[in-house]
Parts: sequence; structure tokens; C-alpha cells
Amino acid sequence: GQNIDQPTEMTATEGAIVQINCTYQTSGFNGLFWYQQHAGEAPTFLSYNVLDGLEEKGRFSSFLSRSKGYSYLLLKELQMKDSASYLCAVGNTGGFKTIFGAGTRLFVKA
Amino acid sequence: SAVISQKPSRDICQRGTSLTIQCQVDSQVTMMFWYRQQPGQSLTLIATANQGSEATYESGFVIDKFPISRPNLTFSTLTVSNMSPEDSSIYLCSAAVARGGTTYEQYFGPGTRLTVT
Repeated sequence: GQNIDQPTEMTATEGAIVQINCTYQTSGFNGLFWYQQHAGEAPTFLSYNVLDGLEEKGRFSSFLSRSKGYSYLLLKELQMKDSASYLCAVGNTGGFKTIFGAGTRLFVKA
Repeated sequence: SAVISQKPSRDICQRGTSLTIQCQVDSQVTMMFWYRQQPGQSLTLIATANQGSEATYESGFVIDKFPISRPNLTFSTLTVSNMSPEDSSIYLCSAAVARGGTTYEQYFGPGTRLTVT
């Protein structure tokens, strides 16, 4: 089976840096996704890590350690519009299937 | 990437009726999926829509309740049958685009907000 854990909620200040952690247990690992979802909208693809290490994409970076079953999403220079849910999801080699964690609601305050 | 559209965007339906949701992708994709997202919760995979064959359902979901079609590589439908208020949810179509080897990217449609009264 699969198990994905991430914090339920986080609060951070505008302009700051926040790190959202995700741990997972799975068989047939085929990459780890991060999505952003604003209330009432569909998830938006942020990143996909297959290999260990850090991938940077503008203000957002994602890190993966396969041996530890661990990933994090790093958001720099936080803006109010970054207030959203951030979903950690694990890909499976069986048919490109992706299973989602419960999501972390991030609140950015002024 | 893939751009995904869904119809209808929302609907209010009576108990006992059925609703078919359509999903169209702007390019041929490797895999298509249907997810459900209940209020305040994360995404739950309903099934993988297989082109030319029966869908593959996740635990807790059955074909009689959620029949799925995928006649080609860019289109799929999900029917929510014999609806009850517990089926009120957002239904999301998703597509996986192969990146090479076994790696892929996954995109979502805008969702269909279903309310059953």
C-alpha cells in the first residue's frame, strides 16, 4: 500500500521562506509530485522529482531523498497569493498512477 | 503539457438520477484518470480510464456506480449513476503525459462540481 504524510496546516509571513515536508511509503516508486491548489480551483502542477536532490524553479524548489522516503517543497519570498493547499503526491510504476496526500494548507500573513 | 477541459463545470442533480461528465484533452496522452475531491479533502483516485478497454477501478469504487468510457486517446467520460447526496463532490479529470522512460507529468482539468439534492 501507500502512505503519504504532510502537515495539515502551516502559517508563514509575507516575504519569508517556508518548507513543507512530505514523507511517504510506497512500492513501485515513480517520482514525487507537488501541486498547488487554491480554494475552488483544480490542482496546478508545480514539480516532479524522480532523482534525489534539489530542483529549483523560480521561487519554488523541491527536494527528494528516495532512501529516506522524504521530500520537501520550499517557497521563497512568500506572497499573499501563495496562500493555498500544497499537495504531495507519489507516482507509481503501475500505470502512471498518482496517489495524493491530504495536503498542507498554507496561510501567508502580512 | 496538456490542457484539459471538462463539461459540465457544475450541476445540481436529483437523487436517483445519473450524470455524465465529459473530459477532453488537447493532445494525445498516455493515461487518463478520474479523481474525486470532497469538500476540504484531498484527491481520491476513482479509476484509470483505459483506451479501448474497461477502466481499472480503485478500492471502494465499482463500475456499476461509476461507468467510464475512453474511446480514444484524448477523450473520456465518467458517469455518476443513481446519485445520492453522498456523491456531492468535485470530480476531476486528469491526464498523464510521458516524459521518457517511466517518468511522466500529470495535469488536471478544472473539475465538475456536483451537488446532489
